[in-house]
Amino acid sequence: GESVGLHLPTLSVQEGDNSIINCAYSNSASDYFIWYKQESGKGPQFIIDIRSNMDKRQGQRVTVLLNKTVKHLSLQIAATQPGDSAVYFCAEKGASGGSYIPTFGRGTSLIVHP
Amino acid sequence: DVKVTQSSRYLVKRTGEKVFLECVQDMDHENMFWYRQDPGLGLRLIYFSYDVKMKEKGDIPEGYSVSREKKERFSLILESASTNQTSMYLCASSPRPRPVGYTFGSGTRLTVV
Repeated sequence: GESVGLHLPTLSVQEGDNSIINCAYSNSASDYFIWYKQESGKGPQFIIDIRSNMDKRQGQRVTVLLNKTVKHLSLQIAATQPGDSAVYFCAEKGASGGSYIPTFGRGTSLIVHP
Repeated sequence: DVKVTQSSRYLVKRTGEKVFLECVQDMDHENMFWYRQDPGLGLRLIYFSYDVKMKEKGDIPEGYSVSREKKERFSLILESASTNQTSMYLCASSPRPRPVGYTFGSGTRLTVV
């Protein structure tokens, strides 16, 4: 079946550095991708999304890059802060029970050291 | 601030009990979802609903049922709780026509002993 996965389960960075979290997807028909952030003890929170007709989208301190050729998605966080420490999930619009149900990756834990 | 509220943060139940997990959203969203989250397995979809009284099975519906009697409320039912249902349960909602833009609740950590 289709899958969404993350290259690294844990990423440690120093405060102030830029962070890059990667995600590979396998469904070439996926046309919508989302990044979520989950802090300890909380539910996932929407960060940023991107459609397949775009290569890049920027938000506040975050940028998502989409490379459809190699089916790769990344989340870049500029000037990482301790408050960015969380688990980050990518999701793609999948086919689990319906064309709009996303498939979630397993998450990467970002640890920011002060 | 828009919210998805799950009635309990922590629950401890005995094997064989019938367990109800409640979720309420105040955003008038049509779509509601129940996921379980386990270490190393990520988020797995149990059931979802596109409208009142409507339900669809997700990837792992066995041992669960749901109820959507009102638009704002989506309940997950464990008919006879088992230890392998110990998990974090997450409810989410989203509007049409873009159900992927989820708002999640804070989760219910259920322990079955």
